[in-house]
Amino acid sequence: GENVEQHPSTLSVQEGDSAVIKCTYSDSASNYFPWYKQELGKGPQLIIDIRSNVGEKKDQRIAVTLNKTAKHFSLHITETQPEDSAVYFCAASITGGGGGADGLTFGKGTHLIIQP
Amino acid sequence: KAGVTQTPRYLIKTRGQQVTLSCSPISGHRSVSWYQQTPGQGLQFLFEYFSETQRNKGNFPGRFSGRQFSNSRSEMNVSTLELGDSALYLCASSLDLEKLFFGSGTQLSVL
Repeated sequence: GENVEQHPSTLSVQEGDSAVIKCTYSDSASNYFPWYKQELGKGPQLIIDIRSNVGEKKDQRIAVTLNKTAKHFSLHITETQPEDSAVYFCAASITGGGGGADGLTFGKGTHLIIQP
Repeated sequence: KAGVTQTPRYLIKTRGQQVTLSCSPISGHRSVSWYQQTPGQGLQFLFEYFSETQRNKGNFPGRFSGRQFSNSRSEMNVSTLELGDSALYLCASSLDLEKLFFGSGTQLSVL
């Protein structure tokens, strides 16, 4: 089955600086790569996603890049703010094809700390 | 629009008991998935339902089961609880079978 590795496990950055979280996946058939943000006491919240036919996607201060050849994808957060402090999860799955969702395979998470 | 609602928020059970968790998806969402979250194993897929049919199941023992009703509400059941079943159980609903919207979860403690 799919295996997703995520690094680093903890990332501390100064407010206003950029943060980058990296993930690799093992199954070349995976074609959907979402990123989730989880705050204390809450469930994961989808913040951005990308499909395998796209190399990069941006939404305001966040962006995701995908390298299918190397089987890795990254989350970039610019101009970090205190409210960006949370645990971030990458995930991969195979969607479409009419066979139904196989479920998301998640990375172990990155605890992002924004230092004031 | 109301989000995904999970009840109860917290549960304490003892080994050997069984437990039922409930999930109400976002209105209009027909797909409901369940995930287990633990500090050691992270987020792991349990199963996914669409229109009352289980379409896929993760690598969990048969003690974990679920069902979906005609109104898309879902329940999951864990029988013969073990200490290792202590976890946050998350339900997620989806409209397009890709973007998942998670509830806040049910925190289960097995003593």
